[in-house]
Amino acid sequence: AQSVTQLDSHVSVSEGTPVLLRCNYSSSYSPSLFWYVQHPNKGLQLLLKYTSAATLVKGINGFEAEFKKSETSFHLTKPSAHMSDAAEYFCVVSDPAGGSYIPTFGRGTSLIVHP
Amino acid sequence: DTEVTQTPKHLVMGMTNKKSLKCEQHMGHRAMYWYKQKAKKPPELMFVYSYEKLSINESVPSRFSPECPNSSLLNLHLHALQPEDSALYLCASSQVVLAGEAGELFFGEGSRLTVL
Repeated sequence: AQSVTQLDSHVSVSEGTPVLLRCNYSSSYSPSLFWYVQHPNKGLQLLLKYTSAATLVKGINGFEAEFKKSETSFHLTKPSAHMSDAAEYFCVVSDPAGGSYIPTFGRGTSLIVHP
Repeated sequence: DTEVTQTPKHLVMGMTNKKSLKCEQHMGHRAMYWYKQKAKKPPELMFVYSYEKLSINESVPSRFSPECPNSSLLNLHLHALQPEDSALYLCASSQVVLAGEAGELFFGEGSRLTVL
């Protein structure tokens, strides 16, 4: 069965400093991996996705993530945090176990950005 | 149009009321989902429709009744809810699997439900 672990429930950074949100996954297949962002009282928006093409994936708003199969990781990074990046971030894994690609969400990481 | 539209945005209902949540998308997606999200938690999958047929029901109580009248619409009928059902209800849509890759989910902004 697929699973995903977001190692940090909260990450706090200063504006202008790098962001690292960590995600490890488990899957018996070649999974699809996603990062979504959720601002308060809003729906979720896709930041980026990995689907077996390039291992370094670039997303919106300057975010990127690197798929490392040997480490079963898909960490999200951004070189310089902006105040508007403060939100909840979810790592999601999806594989064909059971005959359908049902996404499994991580618990979420709350990104706090200080001025 | 890459939007998923949910109505109403807010709903307050008593435990004896009957109400419905509505979701609409015009992206041609043939998979549609209902999720329930409590504060500070990830979304929990409730139902999945694929080609207008219910394909997954995650053991949701019968007081929640989904309906997919056509490929663009998804409803969630609510009856005799409990206060613990208060949550943000999110609708999402996606392409059905293409070439062995999972499609991304497009989410609506949600309907915030309060059960008194």
